[in-house]
Amino acid sequence: DSGVTQTPKHLITATGQRVTLRCSPRSGDLSVYWYQQSLDQGLQFLIQYYNGEERAKGNILERFSAQQFPDLHSELNLSSLELGDSALYFCASSASGTLDGTQYFGPGTRLTVL
Amino acid sequence: GQNIDQPTEMTATEGAIVQINCTYQTSGFNGLFWYQQHAGEAPTFLSYNVLDGLEEKGRFSSFLSRSKGYSYLLLKELQMKDSASYLCAVKGYSTLTFGKGTMLLVSP
Repeated sequence: DSGVTQTPKHLITATGQRVTLRCSPRSGDLSVYWYQQSLDQGLQFLIQYYNGEERAKGNILERFSAQQFPDLHSELNLSSLELGDSALYFCASSASGTLDGTQYFGPGTRLTVL
Repeated sequence: GQNIDQPTEMTATEGAIVQINCTYQTSGFNGLFWYQQHAGEAPTFLSYNVLDGLEEKGRFSSFLSRSKGYSYLLLKELQMKDSASYLCAVKGYSTLTFGKGTMLLVSP
């Protein structure tokens, strides 16, 4: 158990819909990272927040957005969903704000878009 | 941008040594990570190299040559539980790029 929690574990929805994925970092960690993992693309870094502010950005689509709240939990919002958005979405946390630190991954949310 | 290459699959025998290579071309390099991921599970951190050379951590070692854009992960005394995907990831100035991963199958 990494100490990072993600909800829900599974999510099934339809094209065009909007969903919100939630992540709670390990106690004391200020950084939260979001990743998307699909069979054809592998693990893709989406975005990092550090203490409430966006710190680094990867291949995140404009239809996707994230935020980190004062209690440090984070949410990833996916809108206008397409079939290709079906994937495993991981959240990770670390104490470091500079991508150097060890990242601890949550168990993931499996999103299925029908 | 970043381009990272790893072999897709490797097989090895229990008790043996295996080396998983990773080559990268990058516009900015600030470090290289190795992660292990078992099927259906989250990745777990194995190592992080910033400077050239070998870092040893128990049965696992990781090597980096920045001038050659090359790293490897060395696994010794292989165990069945080492069957997993091994991901190489390069840290750029403000992003992290993962390779597609190498699926390692350890047989008895």
